[in-house]
Amino acid sequence: EAGVTQFPSHSVIEKGQTVTLRCDPISGHDNLYWYRRVMGKEIKFLLHFVKESKQDESGMPNNRFLAERTGGTYSTLKVQPAELEDSGVYFCASSQDIQGAFGYTFGSGTRLTVV
Amino acid sequence: KNEVEQSPQNLTAQEGEFITINCSYSVGISALHWLQQHPGGGIVSLFMLSSGKKKHGRLIATINIQEKHSSLHITASHPRDSAVYICAGTFGSRLTFGEGTQLTVNP
Repeated sequence: EAGVTQFPSHSVIEKGQTVTLRCDPISGHDNLYWYRRVMGKEIKFLLHFVKESKQDESGMPNNRFLAERTGGTYSTLKVQPAELEDSGVYFCASSQDIQGAFGYTFGSGTRLTVV
Repeated sequence: KNEVEQSPQNLTAQEGEFITINCSYSVGISALHWLQQHPGGGIVSLFMLSSGKKKHGRLIATINIQEKHSSLHITASHPRDSAVYICAGTFGSRLTFGEGTQLTVNP
């Protein structure tokens, strides 16, 4: 069974540019989560999809971040325009059920550097 | 104050030592997770606990619900155990993470 796949693994962009991160969850996992770790801080929640719907987007930092999950399969997280403070590692995770009773599977993360 | 607190932040041990990492959390979690992250790597789930104790190889995780405290133990530590160990609580439908413990095991 394929795990959670994230692309790209690394991205270096200039301030003001746009970047789109992609996450492919485990097939059949309705729940998809985006998390972010900025330098020196704990990993923080960004948002949660159930299928194609945003269940909870309270962790999204501002309106420069747009997440989509069209068709309830893979998800994209777009940052436009990117700022220096957006640098960090963006993790995606998926789970079978909404409370992760069967656990969560994480992707390898996308390391975003905004210069 | 974070809802999940971990200690220590950094830990250096000699190969073979017994290691303990601690995690305290606030009320309301439905499960406690221990995760591992190797340098440049993704996050791997080690344990998910809601009560008692779990063991996998040289790793043992315990949780005390009354004290809102969990520990991760590594017996007979090895340099390949060097990684960041992260405690996280399931609050509702999301995970809240501790800051992580950077473990270095020297040969």
